[in-house]
Amino acid sequence: KAGVTQTPRYLIKTRGQQVTLSCSPISGHRSVSWYQQTPGQGLQFLFEYFSETQRNKGNFPGRFSGRQFSNSRSEMNVSTLELGDSALYLCASSFVAGAAYEQYFGPGTRLTVT
Amino acid sequence: SQKIEQNSEALNIQEGKTATLTCNYTNYSPAYLQWYRQDPGRGPVFLLLIRENEKEKRKERLKVTFDTTLKQSLFHITASQPADSATYLCASGGGADGLTFGKGTHLIIQP
Repeated sequence: KAGVTQTPRYLIKTRGQQVTLSCSPISGHRSVSWYQQTPGQGLQFLFEYFSETQRNKGNFPGRFSGRQFSNSRSEMNVSTLELGDSALYLCASSFVAGAAYEQYFGPGTRLTVT
Repeated sequence: SQKIEQNSEALNIQEGKTATLTCNYTNYSPAYLQWYRQDPGRGPVFLLLIRENEKEKRKERLKVTFDTTLKQSLFHITASQPADSATYLCASGGGADGLTFGKGTHLIIQP
């Protein structure tokens, strides 16, 4: 069974630009969560989607948004990029919603904002 | 909100010994705790989940405990090997806020 895939793997953007990251979950998984990982803050929860609906969202500004499609694939968007948005963005999928179950993480997208 | 604390300093263990990693939570007792392993440049990999009403969970050379009195989980790797060297992350969950992760402990197993 193929794992969680994320594209692109690396991205360099300029302040003020916007970026869209993509995540394809494991086949059959309907829950997709997004996390931001930085050396200073560690892994922080961004949001979770299940059946195309956002179930919950972490403490991030409205510049961070996401969506999920009917095939469970998910995208996250960051608008008006800031230097502090430089991070590894990780997507995780799970068969059911909620954090009570193991999460399967993708390799991440390394975003650098200059 | 919940806060998960892990020893951020690297833990050096000699091969063959038992490595013990600590995870402390500061507020309410989470419904469960999860442990993940992360290698450089890769996403975390799920290892074990322990529920609040479970004292101990085992999987091969791995063992995790959950002590609600101490607000602590311990993660043990017995007969450690250099291949066990990685960053180990503790995470709590149970509400609608996704997983709350600690910053991880970098484990180094020396041959």
